[in-house]
Amino acid sequence: DVKVTQSSRYLVKRTGEKVFLECVQDMDHENMFWYRQDPGLGLRLIYFSYDVKMKEKGDIPEGYSVSREKKERFSLILESASTNQTSMYLCASHVKSSTGELFFGEGSRLTVL
Amino acid sequence: AQKITQTQPGMFVQEKEAVTLDCTYDTSDPSYGLFWYKQPSSGEMIFLIYQGSYDQQNATEGRYSLNFQKARKSANLVISASQLGDSAMYFCAMREVNNAGNMLTFGGGTRLMVKP
Repeated sequence: DVKVTQSSRYLVKRTGEKVFLECVQDMDHENMFWYRQDPGLGLRLIYFSYDVKMKEKGDIPEGYSVSREKKERFSLILESASTNQTSMYLCASHVKSSTGELFFGEGSRLTVL
Repeated sequence: AQKITQTQPGMFVQEKEAVTLDCTYDTSDPSYGLFWYKQPSSGEMIFLIYQGSYDQQNATEGRYSLNFQKARKSANLVISASQLGDSAMYFCAMREVNNAGNMLTFGGGTRLMVKP
C-alpha cells in the first residue's frame, strides 16, 4: 500500500522556535509537496520538490523553507515560528507522469503559542 | 483570481438521499484534470474521483459521480444514497501542468453533514 508518513501528528511550539516537519514516502515518487490547510481557505501550496535537492516555491512560501536530501524525504522548516503559522500541514507526493493524483500523509497540526 | 471555487461552506443532507457538492474552476489550459478528495475528522485526505478534461464520459466510482460540464467549467460531485460516514470535508482540486510537472490547486472545501 502507498504510504506517506508525517513525523508528528500534533506539535505545540513557542513563538521564535525553529520547527521541523518531516515527511517520508515509500512509493519512489519524484514529486513531493507541502500544503497548509486553514478553514475556508482550503489547501494552499507552500513548496514542492520534483527531484532531490530541487525545490520550487508554491503560493505561500514566506516564512518557510524546505529540504530534500533524499528522494523519499521532504522536510518543511519554520526558521522562527510565529502564531500565524498555527495550522494543519499536509505532505503529499505523486509520480511525475501520473494523472496528478496526490497521496497524502495524515497531517501535522501545529500550534504556535 | 481563484482557480477553484466551492461556494457551499457547509451542507446538510438526510441519510439515504443524494447530494451535490458544487465546484467551478478556471483555466485556459486545454489539458487539465479535476479531482475530489474527502477529509474525515481524522484528517487524512482520501481520493474519491478523477475526471480528465478530454474524457468523454462523466467519471463514476461507486456512489460517487462527477457531473462534468466543460462549457460551464463546473465539476460537481454527486453522492448517491448518503451515509452517516459521508460526513466530512470535501475538496475539489484541479490539475494543471507546468515545467515541474503536475500541480494541484484546491478549493476552499465544503463540509457535508449527514443527518440520521
